Amino acid sequence: NAGVTQTPKFRILKIGQSMTLQCTQDMNHNYMYWYRQDPGMGLKLIYYSVGAGITDKGEVPNGYNVSRSTTEDFPLRLELAAPSQTSVYFCASLGGASTNEKLFFGSGTQLSVL
Amino acid sequence: DQQVKQNSPSLSVQEGRISILNCDYTNSMFDYFLWYKKYPAEGPTFLISISSIKDKNEDGRFTVFLNKSAKHLSLHIVPSQPGDSAVYFCAASAISSGTYKYIFGTGTRLKVLA
Repeated sequence: NAGVTQTPKFRILKIGQSMTLQCTQDMNHNYMYWYRQDPGMGLKLIYYSVGAGITDKGEVPNGYNVSRSTTEDFPLRLELAAPSQTSVYFCASLGGASTNEKLFFGSGTQLSVL
Repeated sequence: DQQVKQNSPSLSVQEGRISILNCDYTNSMFDYFLWYKKYPAEGPTFLISISSIKDKNEDGRFTVFLNKSAKHLSLHIVPSQPGDSAVYFCAASAISSGTYKYIFGTGTRLKVLA
């Protein structure tokens, strides 16, 4: 059971480039999330999804897009990378009542925009 | 507006003593709270949760206390061990409203001294 898998682990982008951070989970969870963690800061919610085809903005959605075409996958898209998007990105999925409504996190993607 | 606050960025405790990490929230709709531990270069891992219908929850060395009137929760670790050295995050959600939108605090870095 792999849990939540994020790819890539590291990436360096030039300003204005685009990329997609991949996230997949094999626990059949309906809820999925994208967070970013800036150095010395907490986790900020970017977008989340309550199921396939349904997404909603979090605290810091500007500059990002998401889609949820399947239960398993929740990719995060950066269209025009900016230095302010340098951060560590974490994907998470939510177990329901059977697992006490807790979030399961991936190991993160470290992104630098230069 | 920071809805979940951890006002102590860092905490140092001697091995064997009690560690107390605090968390405050402003949104009275929050009714489910999680604590996570994070090591460098890893994703956060779940520690313990508490529902607003309770004021205390224990799991081994970890106990979470909830004071709804003060909008305050705390995580107690007894006895503290060097392996507990990590960054601790609290998170809150209003799950009774069905959103499962978890907001995280800024974290407290705990250092347990041998």
